[in-house]
Amino acid sequence: GAVVSQHPSRVICKSGTSVKIECRSLDFQATTMFWYRQFPKQSLMLMATSNEGSKATYEQGVEKDKFLINHASLTLSTLTVTSAHPEDSSFYICRGAGANYGYTFGSGTRLTVV
Amino acid sequence: ELKVEQNPLFLSMQEGKNYTIYCNYSTTSDRLYWYRQDPGKSLESLFVLLSNGAVKQEGRLMASLDTKARLSTLHITAAVHDLSATYFCAVALPSGTYKYIFGTGTRLKVLA
Repeated sequence: GAVVSQHPSRVICKSGTSVKIECRSLDFQATTMFWYRQFPKQSLMLMATSNEGSKATYEQGVEKDKFLINHASLTLSTLTVTSAHPEDSSFYICRGAGANYGYTFGSGTRLTVV
Repeated sequence: ELKVEQNPLFLSMQEGKNYTIYCNYSTTSDRLYWYRQDPGKSLESLFVLLSNGAVKQEGRLMASLDTKARLSTLHITAAVHDLSATYFCAVALPSGTYKYIFGTGTRLKVLA
């Protein structure tokens, strides 16, 4: 149980374009979705927390206009990296949390901006 | 502010040996998690520790929690090469928000 499906697993995009990453909770209702980014050989950095039906809460230093988060339903949250640049290249991971579930991560998305 | 310190950062050990990874945190919490991450992959849940004195074991890994000392340990017994990975502890904020603070991670390399 408590599976979070994340897509795509890898994406390469051109600088200046936007990329959308989806996370779906398959067998539970994720009232909260956490979005992380991870640089090589570093720990996970929390970017934002989204709750279904409300605006996301961004961590200090994370640009809300660059990283758009939508959590329109209890099973789907999306992260859109807008006007991507090479420095946005990273590993993005989501984690869904709901009643009695909170520790399952998505499979991650490797974003490369060229 | 909750801070989580994990050590060592790097660990190279011979197969068959035992070792312990430590996770210290700075404020009260009622939940602590251990995860494993293989290169290029997401995090795999290993253990969830919910109470003082909790001990969980799976194969060659055993995790324990001392909430009074604000310390968790991940003990590796008779290491094998397949255990090579990065291990993270994560401590939940006490507010019940499901928000975690991650340790820095321990990169473990088991040498044959």
